[in-house]
Amino acid sequence: AQTVTQSQPEMSVQEAETVTLSCTYDTSESDYYLFWYKQPPSRQMILVIRQEAYKQQNATENRFSVNFQKAAKSFSLKISDSQLGDAAMYFCAYRSPNTGNQFYFGTGTSLTVIP
Amino acid sequence: KAGVTQTPRYLIKTRGQQVTLSCSPISGHRSVSWYQQTPGQGLQFLFEYFSETQRNKGNFPGRFSGRQFSNSRSEMNVSTLELGDSALYLCASSDQGAGANVLTFGAGSRLTVL
Repeated sequence: AQTVTQSQPEMSVQEAETVTLSCTYDTSESDYYLFWYKQPPSRQMILVIRQEAYKQQNATENRFSVNFQKAAKSFSLKISDSQLGDAAMYFCAYRSPNTGNQFYFGTGTSLTVIP
Repeated sequence: KAGVTQTPRYLIKTRGQQVTLSCSPISGHRSVSWYQQTPGQGLQFLFEYFSETQRNKGNFPGRFSGRQFSNSRSEMNVSTLELGDSALYLCASSDQGAGANVLTFGAGSRLTVL
């Protein structure tokens, strides 16, 4: 089974600053999909951003961008201009093209935004 | 479009009982996946149903089962509850079986086993 590792259980950032959350994964597949999900205290998981492994260009969604390093099996999330509403648990996830919608999630990083 | 709806949101059971959780996916979504979320184990995949067929199953005992109806609504059942089954059970739906599908999650059903 694929393994997704988030080595930072907790992170904090000052409002308006930039923060980077780390994620590494282990796979022998060459084609796969990576995701960042956000789970605010209300508990509903929300997609933040996704990346297809065959695409070399890093995905960007407004203030959120990723640094995808395929050879290093690294997929970090950068949040720019952090806002109070960004405070949440962030999960990195891996999906194989061969196992339907079975996602492998990391253990999460709890992000605190300091006013 | 309405989101993914899970019922009940909270429930308390005692050891040995069984429980059924329900999930209504986004209209048009044919895939429904279930995940168990606990502080110790994180998010773990239970199973996925696509067009009424179980397509994938995670590493959980047979006490955990599910099904999907023709309208894509899904239920999961846990029999002979154990204390360790206390968790947030999340349902997620998606609209295709291939590609970079996005999982859209419900708010979850919080199960407490006493």
